[in-house]
Amino acid sequence: EVQLLESGGGLIQPGGSLTLSCAASGFTFSNFDMTWVRQAPGKGLEWLSVITASGAATYYADSVKGRFTISRDNLGNTVYLHLSSLRAEDTATYYCAKDNDYYDHRSGSYYDANDVWGQGTMVIVSS
Amino acid sequence: AIQMTQSPSSLSASVGDKVTITCRASQDISHDLGWYQKKPGKAPNLLIYGASSLQSGVPSRFSGSGSGTDFTLTINNLQPEDFATYYCLQDYNYPRTFGQGTKVETK
Repeated sequence: EVQLLESGGGLIQPGGSLTLSCAASGFTFSNFDMTWVRQAPGKGLEWLSVITASGAATYYADSVKGRFTISRDNLGNTVYLHLSSLRAEDTATYYCAKDNDYYDHRSGSYYDANDVWGQGTMVIVSS
Repeated sequence: AIQMTQSPSSLSASVGDKVTITCRASQDISHDLGWYQKKPGKAPNLLIYGASSLQSGVPSRFSGSGSGTDFTLTINNLQPEDFATYYCLQDYNYPRTFGQGTKVETK
């Protein structure tokens, strides 16, 4: 069974740091880009970051660039998100997701989408 | 970053209704759009990729259309389990961006 399991969330003081982990199983982890998304209480989904399959490239939302760092361990089938300089507005449930490439035979195009998601881990930033 | 604008932000519907949600991109994103369903306390669920392709296992009452800047998610014959919040997500470039969501509530 394809599965993603996040961990590492908790209560952290403003200005603090935390590392979230996402353990993958049931698929060849090293073949897929991996993404982090969050949802603050009562708010919508926010895309945060992606790391390519090899780990060679990373991309971030402007809201977290310079504060969050994505990384991965392809031998350990785990993707990480290091959160630093945390603010109250970073309080959210954080989800990891697998990126899948779909080939459309009709158009000959490839499309990308997040087909597998973890259950989320909650981060609360509060003094 | 590309801005994604969804409308409406919420709607009320009954079981059996047809529901239409729209998503507009701030620039041409071709067919690079997905639709996701989100229920409280649950992980997001991929419904549609490539603007109109149905993800495996998703009921055929869900459909997507559009290209360029204007996209639509349609739910035919709304079922009780479809009351949720729906999000579009552009995968044209990075950073990816979600629409603000559309909450489908019981009338």
